[in-house]
Amino acid sequence: GENVEQHPSTLSVQEGDSAVIKCTYSDSASNYFPWYKQELGKRPQLIIDIRSNVGEKKDQRIAVTLNKTAKHFSLHITETQPEDSAVYFCAASRDDMRFGAGTRLTVKP
Amino acid sequence: GAVVSQHPSWVICKSGTSVKIECRSLDFQATTMFWYRQFPKQSLMLMATSNEGSKATYEQGVEKDKFLINHASLTLSTLTVTSAHPEDSSFYICSANLRGGTDTQYFGPGTRLTVL
Repeated sequence: GENVEQHPSTLSVQEGDSAVIKCTYSDSASNYFPWYKQELGKRPQLIIDIRSNVGEKKDQRIAVTLNKTAKHFSLHITETQPEDSAVYFCAASRDDMRFGAGTRLTVKP
Repeated sequence: GAVVSQHPSWVICKSGTSVKIECRSLDFQATTMFWYRQFPKQSLMLMATSNEGSKATYEQGVEKDKFLINHASLTLSTLTVTSAHPEDSSFYICSANLRGGTDTQYFGPGTRLTVL
């Protein structure tokens, strides 16, 4: 089955800096790669997603890149703000969705 | 957007009792619903995939007789934790796909189960 690895597990940045979270997946047939933001005790919220026929997607301060050959995808957050602090999960999906272990992002004001 | 509700939001029960958690898609029909379990500071672990009108598909290591899933309609799936024990205490989250739609999953708000 699909195996998703996510790094780093924790990330601390200064407000205004950029943050990058990386994930790798094992199933080359996976075709959908969402990123979720989860605040403590709440449901995961989809922040951006990318499909296997696209290499990059951007939405304001958030961007995701996908390298199908290498089977890895990354989340980029620019101009980070304290409210970006949360746990971020990557996921890879073909028939069902597998999540990475999560990255706890802390943005220091 | 698509809304998924879950009930109850939290439940405390005694060891040995059974607890039912409901997951509803409020404004769309969901062909498939998923049940996840999340321990503190850990990722979401897929427990089972629930398809309307058919038996759920359980992930390896998940006891189907302990975690009963019923997907009776296109808008409702239930998870029953039978004979709950303290180690079953966790955050249970469901999600649903749009029927015939994209792979996007919409998550319920989660149910925090505490077994005493």
